[in-house]
Amino acid sequence: GDSVTQMEGPVTLSEEAFLTINCTYTATGYPSLFWYVQYPGEGLQLLLKATKADDKGSNKGFEATYRKETTSFHLEKGSVQVSDSAVYFCALSSGYSSASKIIFGSGTRLSIRP
Amino acid sequence: DSGVTQTPKHLITATGQRVTLRCSPRSGDLSVYWYQQSLDQGLQFLIQYYNGEERAKGNILERFSAQQFPDLHSELNLSSLELGDSALYFCASSPIVSPYNEQFFGPGTRLTVL
Repeated sequence: GDSVTQMEGPVTLSEEAFLTINCTYTATGYPSLFWYVQYPGEGLQLLLKATKADDKGSNKGFEATYRKETTSFHLEKGSVQVSDSAVYFCALSSGYSSASKIIFGSGTRLSIRP
Repeated sequence: DSGVTQTPKHLITATGQRVTLRCSPRSGDLSVYWYQQSLDQGLQFLIQYYNGEERAKGNILERFSAQQFPDLHSELNLSSLELGDSALYFCASSPIVSPYNEQFFGPGTRLTVL
């Protein structure tokens, strides 16, 4: 079945460092791909999305490119801030019509040191 | 604020008991999704309703059930509770059934079973 694999955390970086969180997926068909972020004590928020191959999703300085050839959707940010500390979830949505659900990766906890 | 509300925020109960979690979707959204987030299982999709009808089922136990009412709010009923049911339960909503739309998450209900 469909699945998402993302790098294990926790990831600890210093402020202004470059961030990469790896994500690969397995899916039949052509899934949509997402990154969600969960700040402490809150629900999940959509960070960015891409719906077809070579699409680049971007938001708040974060970017991810839908790579069909490598089945990947890695999250990157050029200069992280303390406020980026959160848990990041890679996810895919596939199927259509009545069978709609999102499959999440296990999450990567990111901590940014001042 | 995603516009999705969930009550209660916290719930503490004993094994064997039954609880009801409530979710109100964003205004205009017809689809409601329920997820369970636990430390060992990660974020698991439970069930989806669209305009009052069940549309997709995930890893939902037989002890759990859900429904969506005519005003589109949804309730998740958990019965014969076990210690392992302790988790965060999230509700999400999206405007239509298509999986290519993002889901908007509520703040969650933290259930503790003692």
